[in-house]
Amino acid sequence: NAGVTQTPKFRILKIGQSMTLQCTQDMNHNYMYWYRQDPGMGLKLIYYSVGAGITDKGEVPNGYNVSRSTTEDFPLRLELAAPSQTSVYFCASRPREGLSDTQYFGPGTRLTVL
Amino acid sequence: DQQVKQNSPSLSVQEGRISILNCDYTNSMFDYFLWYKKYPAEGPTFLISISSIKDKNEDGRFTVFLNKSAKHLSLHIVPSQPGDSAVYFCAASLYSGGGADGLTFGKGTHLIIQP
Repeated sequence: NAGVTQTPKFRILKIGQSMTLQCTQDMNHNYMYWYRQDPGMGLKLIYYSVGAGITDKGEVPNGYNVSRSTTEDFPLRLELAAPSQTSVYFCASRPREGLSDTQYFGPGTRLTVL
Repeated sequence: DQQVKQNSPSLSVQEGRISILNCDYTNSMFDYFLWYKKYPAEGPTFLISISSIKDKNEDGRFTVFLNKSAKHLSLHIVPSQPGDSAVYFCAASLYSGGGADGLTFGKGTHLIIQP
């Protein structure tokens, strides 16, 4: 069981470039999330998904897009990178069933936009 | 407007003593609270949680206390060990038991355990 995996670990982009951050989980979790963490700040929710084909915006969705074609994968797309998107991005997942809201996080992708 | 606040950016505690990390929240609709631990260059890992219907939850060396009237929770670590040195995030959820909404995080407290 690998849990939640993210690729790449690091990336440097130029302003205006695009990229996709990959996230995969092998726990058969229905719910998946994308957060960003800026220096000295807590994590902020970008987008989330309750299942394949269903996504919704979080607190800071501007400049990002997501898709969920399978239970396992939840990629995050940056279309026109801006310096304000320099951050560490975390993907997380949790099962739908049960009382716990515990989310399981991937190791993160550190993105720098220059 | 920060709904979950961790007012101590850092805390230094001697090994073997008790570490107490504090967290305040403003949204009375929060129903479930969690503590996550984070090492550098890693993702947050779940530590312990508490439902709003309880005032205490214990798991080994870790105990979380919730005071709903004060909108305050705290994490106690006893005894503190060197491996506990990390950043601790307090997080809150609007719905326990099935809600899909994401977590609201505080800014974190960097705990340093000194030998």
